[in-house]
Amino acid sequence: NAGVTQTPKFQVLKTGQSMTLQCAQDMNHEYMSWYRQDPGMGLRLIHYSVGAGITDQGEVPNGYNVSRSTTEDFPLRLLSAAPSQTSVYFCASSYQLGSYEQYFGPGTRLTVT
Amino acid sequence: AQKITQTQPGMFVQEKEAVTLDCTYDTSDPSYGLFWYKQPSSGEMIFLIYQGSYDQQNATEGRYSLNFQKARKSANLVISASQLGDSAMYFCAMRYLRGGGADGLTFGKGTHLIIQP
Repeated sequence: NAGVTQTPKFQVLKTGQSMTLQCAQDMNHEYMSWYRQDPGMGLRLIHYSVGAGITDQGEVPNGYNVSRSTTEDFPLRLLSAAPSQTSVYFCASSYQLGSYEQYFGPGTRLTVT
Repeated sequence: AQKITQTQPGMFVQEKEAVTLDCTYDTSDPSYGLFWYKQPSSGEMIFLIYQGSYDQQNATEGRYSLNFQKARKSANLVISASQLGDSAMYFCAMRYLRGGGADGLTFGKGTHLIIQP
């Protein structure tokens, strides 16, 4: 199993550009989520999904969209990038709600200039 | 709203000594889970240990143990016999278990642990 994979590893955007961060898992996990990590901070939840076709907002959803058309994939879209979205983004998954272990991807480091 | 507090921004510890990383949490919900994650300089998040709010025993995983004091709302991580490879950021996190914990993990700001030879 590859586990949770994220692409790209690094990305530089200009203000106003849009892009999609990819996340995929091959463990047949129902629950997937996106977090962002800013310097000196822990991770904060952006969006999550409890299964294909079902998504919901987390703590910091503004400026981001998600969709979940398959169990495996959970892309995060930045609609119009802003410098405040410079961060490291982590995707995570777990087998089901209530499972105590979340598996994290390696992260995507995004810089918006 | 749930809140996690880690009061030690950084710690220096001699190799082979035991380490205690502090974590306190604030919640009025009786059903929750507490987690510790390690983040080495390479950046990945590594799950270490889990404690459920109804668990009677303190969790242990190899050299890691969780000192869970429910009345004090603390969940300190203890690393026995520290090793150079334990140098990393350590995050305490909490998740509500009602509704399956769909609203994800709430993290503290972390403790940067440096093990010195």
